[in-house]
Amino acid sequence: DAKTTQPPSMDCAEGRAANLPCNHSTISGNEYVYWYRQIHSQGPQYIIHGLKNNETNEMASLIITEDRKSSTLILPHATLRDTAVYYCIVSFPSGGGADGLTFGKGTHLIIQP
Amino acid sequence: DAGVIQSPRHEVTEMGQEVTLRCKPISGHNSLFWYRQTMMRGLELLIYFNNNVPIDDSGMPEDRFSAKMPNASFSTLKIQPSEPRDSAVYFCASTLRGTYEQYFGPGTRLTVT
Repeated sequence: DAKTTQPPSMDCAEGRAANLPCNHSTISGNEYVYWYRQIHSQGPQYIIHGLKNNETNEMASLIITEDRKSSTLILPHATLRDTAVYYCIVSFPSGGGADGLTFGKGTHLIIQP
Repeated sequence: DAGVIQSPRHEVTEMGQEVTLRCKPISGHNSLFWYRQTMMRGLELLIYFNNNVPIDDSGMPEDRFSAKMPNASFSTLKIQPSEPRDSAVYFCASTLRGTYEQYFGPGTRLTVT
C-alpha cells in the first residue's frame, strides 16, 4: 500500500497558485518525498523531490513540514496544461530514483479557465 | 534525446496468444522499470533491472509474465498466454543510478479479447 494520503481531486482557477497537499505520517528519516504527475494518456512525469528543506525548480515548489509528516506541492501560476493526476510518493534514495516507485491514487487537479 | 521508446503503442490480441512488449531506455541509463496501469489497481511496479540484472520481480503477477534485458539498450516484457485481465497500459521507465528522476515512456495499451 502507498504510504501517502492525498485528496482525490482539486480544482484551481487558471493563473492562480495550485497547492496540493500530501500526508506521509509514517515517513522514515531517510526517505525522500517525490512528486510526479500524469497528464491524460501520457506516462508519468517527474516534478520535484525533497528530503527536509523546501525545494524549488522551474516547474514547482515543494514545502515539507518540519516534522516531515506532510508536504505541499505548489504550482505558482497554474495553466490549463497543468490539469493532470499528481502523485506524492515517499521512497528511499538508494541509487536515487533507481528503486521502483509505489504510486497511490494521487490527486486529480483540474485547472478551470 | 528521443526519450524512452516503447513499442508497439497499441496491441490488440486474443486470449491465449503470446504478447511481447518492447522498451528502449534512454542512452546511458542503467536502471529500467516496467509498470502496469489499470483503472482498478492504478500504477503498479512489475519488475526492475539494474545494470541489466533483474533486482525485484515481486510485482510480476504470475508465471505467465516474464521480462528480460539482454543488453543496456533493450528490454522485453512477455505475456504467455495472455488473458483479458492483462488488458492495461504498460509503461517502461529508465533512470541513471545516483539521480532522482525516472523517465517514463509513452506506454503500450494492451487489449486482450
